[in-house]
Amino acid sequence: DGGITQSPKYLFRKEGQNVTLSCEQNLNHDAMYWYRQDPGQGLRLIYYSQIVNDFQKGDIAEGYSVSREKKESFPLTVTSAQKNPTAFYLCASSMLLNTEAFFGQGTRLTVV
Amino acid sequence: QQQVKQSPQSLIVQKGGISIINCAYENTAFDYFPWYQQFPGKGPALLIAIRPDVSEKKEGRFTISFNKSAKQFSLHIMDSQPGDSATYFCRSRGGSEKLVFGKGTKLTVNP
Repeated sequence: DGGITQSPKYLFRKEGQNVTLSCEQNLNHDAMYWYRQDPGQGLRLIYYSQIVNDFQKGDIAEGYSVSREKKESFPLTVTSAQKNPTAFYLCASSMLLNTEAFFGQGTRLTVV
Repeated sequence: QQQVKQSPQSLIVQKGGISIINCAYENTAFDYFPWYQQFPGKGPALLIAIRPDVSEKKEGRFTISFNKSAKQFSLHIMDSQPGDSATYFCRSRGGSEKLVFGKGTKLTVNP
């Protein structure tokens, strides 16, 4: 089945730790995105990438990092510099800006 | 920088009623106007979308109305059902390559 897969579904982080969220797609999409969703809030853009080995900061990039070494993969690292990382993280991909964006099922990150 | 303004923030309707959610966009270069539906704990999924060459598109109980001059598009849910209870997002284009979403509308349909 074609789609976009995020893992893990739940993730727990200790204070001061870096954690990496995985996002893989087999839709052959060029563009990939990471969003953060807080309870009752909308989708805030963290990073996006239009092509391999290139990515741009979104609206809330501080405390996060990404890489795009392969077209299919766009992992997100939540660093210790992110002071309030507890949230629901969503990865998305699309072929073009004016077409459908497909989302993964999300990763819920909790700081313990 | 907000590229798309969505309203209302929350909406409660009775079963069988009509739900209406509005979205105002800024970027006139955009030519694809979708609505996404999100259930708790899940990722959003495309519900219905419209291109600006038509003013309305209907799929079952869901209709998009598009007003190019006002730079607005709306989602209408006819005969609303409890299973429609979800959060709905509109989408636009921010800057050169960013996808930006409205803040979402939490719809509750009471039985």
